[in-house]
Amino acid sequence: DQQVKQNSPSLSVQEGRISILNCDYTNSMFDYFLWYKKYPAEGPTFLISISSIKDKNEDGRFTVFLNKSAKHLSLHIVPSQPGDSAVYFCAAFSYSGGGADGLTFGKGTHLIIQP
Amino acid sequence: NAGVTQTPKFQVLKTGQSMTLQCAQDMNHEYMSWYRQDPGMGLRLIHYSVGAGITDQGEVPNGYNVSRSTTEDFPLRLLSAAPSQTSVYFCASKGSVNTEAFFGQGTRLTVV
Repeated sequence: DQQVKQNSPSLSVQEGRISILNCDYTNSMFDYFLWYKKYPAEGPTFLISISSIKDKNEDGRFTVFLNKSAKHLSLHIVPSQPGDSAVYFCAAFSYSGGGADGLTFGKGTHLIIQP
Repeated sequence: NAGVTQTPKFQVLKTGQSMTLQCAQDMNHEYMSWYRQDPGMGLRLIHYSVGAGITDQGEVPNGYNVSRSTTEDFPLRLLSAAPSQTSVYFCASKGSVNTEAFFGQGTRLTVV
């Protein structure tokens, strides 16, 4: 049973427009959510995170929104740039559970920024 | 400023061979973990450790062993490689209070 779901395997967006990547989760114990970006042949790199006590976190062009009642989060990238083309992973974590069991990842969304 | 270092970057094994994937971090992090990434599957947790001498199983532990004798190192052992273990392996570490995990560059393993 997949606890973190990214239902769009790929997304194509024009340069300069907004990219919206979506993520749903099923485990109510998750209280911390992260987005990672991954280029080919590299390890994932941390992008932005949000605690379950917040509904929005912003860092430059990146904003993450969390809707706890819907168990849904989204990553907005504005404006999208060619260097944003990568695979984006949504991940979740239960901090109240001690955080010992690592991160649970979605399957990823391949974002392609078109010139 | 090395962060998380994985060796080797690439490896080809024959079925039944054994090998150890190395992982070292220089950030004095308590938590370390191993993930595998397969096409269409995202990253799945294999084993993790919350400190030296303490390890536990993740989502897909079968066929893998780990040990944590020091804070810095967390090797992953394949005792008898199988083609189903062909994957890209990532090691990660995080501090005990910082929930951001730092990843190594990955090891691409092919078992033939």
